[in-house]
Amino acid sequence: KNQVEQSPQSLIILEGKNCTLQCNYTVSPFSNLRWYKQDTGRGPVSLTIMTFSENTKSNGRYTATLDADTKQSSLHITASQLSDSASYICVVVRADSWGKFQFGAGTQVVVTP
Amino acid sequence: DGGITQSPKYLFRKEGQNVTLSCEQNLNHDAMYWYRQDPGQGLRLIYYSQIVNDFQKGDIAEGYSVSREKKESFPLTVTSAQKNPTAFYLCASNRRDGNQPQHFGDGTRLSIL
Repeated sequence: KNQVEQSPQSLIILEGKNCTLQCNYTVSPFSNLRWYKQDTGRGPVSLTIMTFSENTKSNGRYTATLDADTKQSSLHITASQLSDSASYICVVVRADSWGKFQFGAGTQVVVTP
Repeated sequence: DGGITQSPKYLFRKEGQNVTLSCEQNLNHDAMYWYRQDPGQGLRLIYYSQIVNDFQKGDIAEGYSVSREKKESFPLTVTSAQKNPTAFYLCASNRRDGNQPQHFGDGTRLSIL
């Protein structure tokens, strides 16, 4: 069973609207949680990194939240643009296993005009 | 501009053939990684290297081999022993200190002829 579960699997939103993606994890012990954006046919690009003590972090129109107690994170996209169409990947890093990142399967976001 | 270069972009393998995927970085990162990405799944770790002349197996190393003779280069060989090589292969690197983001190349798509 994957230790990082993302939902929804895919979603379609109208340009200008907001949306929220979810990430639940069971990885332990926890070091940090990352969100990446992956355009089709490209490599992922880092959006945010949050450690245990951080519960929110922003990068432009992207805002990530973390609840380490419930092991949940969300990524909120504000005022979506066509260029936001991509897969968004949640990654959790273990504190006791260097170099091994646990990747979620991603949420595919399509922004329509 | 600093970054990671993967080549070729597309690669076709014949039955019984070994093929090598190139990964070069000019970010002066110590750590480098190879991942495999299949539709609907999270990235899976094939091999990683923390330092020159040293590398470790990831979760799905069977049928693959790597070398790390230079800091900037981490080539991946897909051998004939890998029976299901069709996938999108991603190379990544990062600094070893602290919670540093991984930087990814733009991938190589490998298909069987």
